[in-house]
Amino acid sequence: NAGVTQTPKFQVLKTGQSMTLQCAQDMNHNSMYWYRQDPGMGLRLIYYSASEGTTDKGEVPNGYNVSRLNKREFSLRLESAAPSQTSVYFCASSPSGHLAGELFFGEGSRLTVL
Amino acid sequence: SQKIEQNSEALNIQEGKTATLTCNYTNYSPAYLQWYRQDPGRGPVFLLLIRENEKEKRKERLKVTFDTTLKQSLFHITASQPADSATYLCARNTGGFKTIFGAGTRLFVKA
Repeated sequence: NAGVTQTPKFQVLKTGQSMTLQCAQDMNHNSMYWYRQDPGMGLRLIYYSASEGTTDKGEVPNGYNVSRLNKREFSLRLESAAPSQTSVYFCASSPSGHLAGELFFGEGSRLTVL
Repeated sequence: SQKIEQNSEALNIQEGKTATLTCNYTNYSPAYLQWYRQDPGRGPVFLLLIRENEKEKRKERLKVTFDTTLKQSLFHITASQPADSATYLCARNTGGFKTIFGAGTRLFVKA
């Protein structure tokens, strides 16, 4: 079972470049999330999508945009990358209804901005 | 704002002993707390969810408690094994669809 698939797994960017992280889930989940993980700071929520067609800001949305392309796919875009966006990015999905529940994570995308 | 705090110091224990990890939260009690395991270079994996009205929950060698008076959850691994070595993350919902995480506690189990 594929679960949650993220691409690319690794990426190096120069300051000012743009890129999109892709995420797809094959579990028919309604909710999808993007987190970033930095040493000592845990996972921080960037954006989430409660259902197809909706997106909302999390704790640290500045510098990012998202698109919920369909029920399966949720992409994260960095329009003008900055060194502070060097991090490991995780996509997650959840089957739950009106409350967030168990999250299923991808394996992460490791981004370095020079 | 809601926060999740976990002991940032690594926990070192001997194989066969019980590991106990602590998670403290601020402000109002969440509807539930969750615990995840994360291995180096991998994504977190869900372990257990405990609801506000549940005092304790068990799954095989794992046990989680939820104390709304202390605003604390304890995560226990009994008969620990070297394969249990990992980082364990505590998470809470903050209303609606948002889930926030603590920084995690690294557990090392020595053979």
